[in-house]
Amino acid sequence: NAGVTQTPKFQVLKTGQSMTLQCAQDMNHEYMSWYRQDPGMGLRLIHYSVGAGITDQGEVPNGYNVSRSTTEDFPLRLLSAAPSQTSVYFCASRLFKTGRTDTQYFGPGTRLTVL
Amino acid sequence: KQEVTQIPAALSVPEGENLVLNCSFTDSAIYNLQWFRQDPGKGLTSLLLIQSSQREQTSGRLNASLDKSSGRSTLYIAASQPGDSATYLCAVMEATSGSRLTFGEGTQLTVNP
Repeated sequence: NAGVTQTPKFQVLKTGQSMTLQCAQDMNHEYMSWYRQDPGMGLRLIHYSVGAGITDQGEVPNGYNVSRSTTEDFPLRLLSAAPSQTSVYFCASRLFKTGRTDTQYFGPGTRLTVL
Repeated sequence: KQEVTQIPAALSVPEGENLVLNCSFTDSAIYNLQWFRQDPGKGLTSLLLIQSSQREQTSGRLNASLDKSSGRSTLYIAASQPGDSATYLCAVMEATSGSRLTFGEGTQLTVNP
């Protein structure tokens, strides 16, 4: 098992550019999510998905889109990058959407800088 | 809105010392509380998960307790080692809001040889 993988590891964008952060898991997990981690603010939930074709907003969804066409993949799209989106982005997954006893698995992160 | 607070923000101890990290949360309507470890530049690794009906969980030198009614959890690390140096985060899974996790900001632990 590769677990949760993320690409790229590092990315520099100019304001206004768009890009997609990739996330994949090979554990057949129902639930996948995206977080951003900023100094002094901890990890905050951006979007999540409880299965293929089902997504919902988290705490800080503005400026981001997601889709889930397969169980394995959950890409995060930045529509028009802004300096406020400079952050470290983590993808995570767990087995079940309810997940009351499930361990959460995290990817290694993508460090994004928007100039 | 659920808020999770971790105290202290940073802790430095000599090798071999036993230590306690604290986590508090404002809404007791949770399914579980989880402790994670994060090494610099890396993702999070799950250490312990305590279900809301449980009082504690143990894994090796780690012991986590949960007092849901008072909104508190502690992570006890016995006989600390330099390899324990990392940031430790706690997170609560809310019983509302689609079972999402709310994280604290973490405690940065340094164990000095």
